Amino acid sequence: EAGVAQSPRYKIIEKRQSVAFWCNPISGHATLYWYQQILGQGPKLLIQFQNNGVVDDSQLPKDRFSAERLKGVDSTLKIQPAKLEDSAVYLCASSLGGAGSNIQYFGAGTRLSVL
Amino acid sequence: DQQVKQNSPSLSVQEGRISILNCDYTNSMFDYFLWYKKYPAEGPTFLISISSIKDKNEDGRFTVFLNKSAKHLSLHIVPSQPGDSAVYFCAASPTGTASKLTFGTGTRLQVTL
Repeated sequence: EAGVAQSPRYKIIEKRQSVAFWCNPISGHATLYWYQQILGQGPKLLIQFQNNGVVDDSQLPKDRFSAERLKGVDSTLKIQPAKLEDSAVYLCASSLGGAGSNIQYFGAGTRLSVL
Repeated sequence: DQQVKQNSPSLSVQEGRISILNCDYTNSMFDYFLWYKKYPAEGPTFLISISSIKDKNEDGRFTVFLNKSAKHLSLHIVPSQPGDSAVYFCAASPTGTASKLTFGTGTRLQVTL
């Protein structure tokens, strides 16, 4: 079974530029998450989708971050414009959703450096 | 505020010995707890979980203990192996499932020969 796929693996941009990350979850997983992991910290949830609807985006900085999951499968996370403090690894995770433990499976992440 | 705390940034253990990783939480609404393991350049991988209705869960060499009154959980690895060297994250959820996770800052475990 293929895991969660993310691209690109690395991205370097200058502040005030825009950037987008892509995630393809495990097939059949209804729930998709985006996390931000700053160096030395644990992952922090940015947004959670159930199919193509947003369940929780309370920690998403909506003035500059946006995310979508148009067909309930792939998702993109965008930052516009980027700030220095956005330098982090952006992790995508997916889970089956519905009843059950809903264990989250993570992709390898995209490491963003904002210069 | 840090609702899930892992106060030891690193731990070194000899191969074959027991590794004990600790985690404290402050939010009394948390009722489901997980440990994830992370190798460099990879995403976190689920290791073991425990519901607040239990105080122990075991899976092979890995055991998680939960002390609700102390708001403390620990992960025991016995015996420790070099392949266990990784960063271990504790995570907690208030939903009774693995959704809506709050992660700790991680403990780097090194298992030496």
